[in-house]
Amino acid sequence: SYVLTQPPSVSVAPGQTARITCGGNNIGSKSVHWYQQKPGQAPVLVVYDDSDRPSGIPERFSGSNSGNTATLTISRVEAGDEADYYCQVWDSSSDHPLVFGTGTKVTVL
Amino acid sequence: QLQLQESGPGLVKPSETLSLTCTVSGGSISSSSYYWGWIRQPPGKGLEWIGSIYYSGSTYYNPSLKSRVTISVDTSKNQFSLKLSSVTAADTAVYYCAGPVGYYGLGIAFWGQGTLVTVSS
Repeated sequence: SYVLTQPPSVSVAPGQTARITCGGNNIGSKSVHWYQQKPGQAPVLVVYDDSDRPSGIPERFSGSNSGNTATLTISRVEAGDEADYYCQVWDSSSDHPLVFGTGTKVTVL
Repeated sequence: QLQLQESGPGLVKPSETLSLTCTVSGGSISSSSYYWGWIRQPPGKGLEWIGSIYYSGSTYYNPSLKSRVTISVDTSKNQFSLKLSSVTAADTAVYYCAGPVGYYGLGIAFWGQGTLVTVSS
């Protein structure tokens, strides 16, 4: 099945920019979605279809996708952004259409 | 806004069948071309997709669980359900119902709060 690889952890100072990568074979040809999960809570969709934001998600969250890497960028990082982040793709033509990345723990220093 | 809520036993014995139901409120489960699904998360680990069901009833399952999983939909009750047979301790996890796919593009728009299911005798 399709594999999505994320760095286990990313550390960033408040006010700086965090970039979380999601690697997959030719991922640029797929739609990538990103979720934020805080401890003890359900995941929340923060970016869908590579770069769109659901209603209520701050503009500080943005996404891009090209080649073999998709990236979630969090600008002007706040303490409340500390969480686990997961990328995900959906491909209805596959026998395993929904795949999650391995997850990245973002720590705000 | 759509809301999802899981319900079902929190403790299941090994070799038995885990059964959970997701009740959707704030909208119809059969409206538009939506997928609904189940995802689980073992304690301290990442997210694992279990399977999804199209509003019409077509299903897609994780190949690693396919032989043990059944997902069904009851449009009259605005619910969809999960059955996982022959459970072992490895099936202990927080189980989330989620959806729809198709509301915000191909992302999973909303998630239930999750329910911890422990497999133990």
